Amino acid sequence: GQQLNQSPQSMFIQEGEDVSMNCTSSSIFNTWLWYKQDPGEGPVLLIALYKAGELTSNGRLTAQFGITRKDSFLNISASIPSDVGIYFCAGLRAGGTSYGKLTFGQGTILTVHP
Amino acid sequence: AAGVIQSPRHLIKEKRETATLKCYPIPRHDTVYWYQQGPGQDPQFLISFYEKMQSDKGSIPDRFSAQQFSDYHSELNMSSLELGDSALYFCASRPGTAANEKLFFGSGTQLSVL
Repeated sequence: GQQLNQSPQSMFIQEGEDVSMNCTSSSIFNTWLWYKQDPGEGPVLLIALYKAGELTSNGRLTAQFGITRKDSFLNISASIPSDVGIYFCAGLRAGGTSYGKLTFGQGTILTVHP
Repeated sequence: AAGVIQSPRHLIKEKRETATLKCYPIPRHDTVYWYQQGPGQDPQFLISFYEKMQSDKGSIPDRFSAQQFSDYHSELNMSSLELGDSALYFCASRPGTAANEKLFFGSGTQLSVL
């Protein structure tokens, strides 16, 4: 099946530092999504990317859809304590009978030290 | 803004019992997805519905069944529960099946099988 490799698995950073995480796949995805999940809660959508090469920002977050459509990265600038959580990339292959089921990466656990 | 509502938030069952999880999508969202997330794991797609018809199937055990009703809410029925079914179950909804429609998750139902 389709696999998304997300790295790093975890990060420990100081408040104010920038963070970068990425996902790669052996398969092409038509949409890349980045979610943040707090413990015991559902994933919350951060950024959605729909076109190869697309670079999108949402406040301190920036994400890019790789030109090959097989990868994506997420950057968080000037991290703050509330950025703590698990970040998931997710790929979407639309078309056929796959009406949008997501394939998730393994997640990146982010810890921010004040 | 209205979000995806799941009930119950927590459920404790014993082995071989049955459980029913409910999902109420965002108003005017006609597509519903169910995901299972084990401890420390990424969400895994189970099954999806579009306009009350099953649209896609993932790694859903035969002991589980689901349906979407005329008001678009969905129920996941789980029978002969096993210890390994303990997980966080998410429902997500989106307005249609186009690739650029965003997927929004509920807060999940935490199922514990004892």
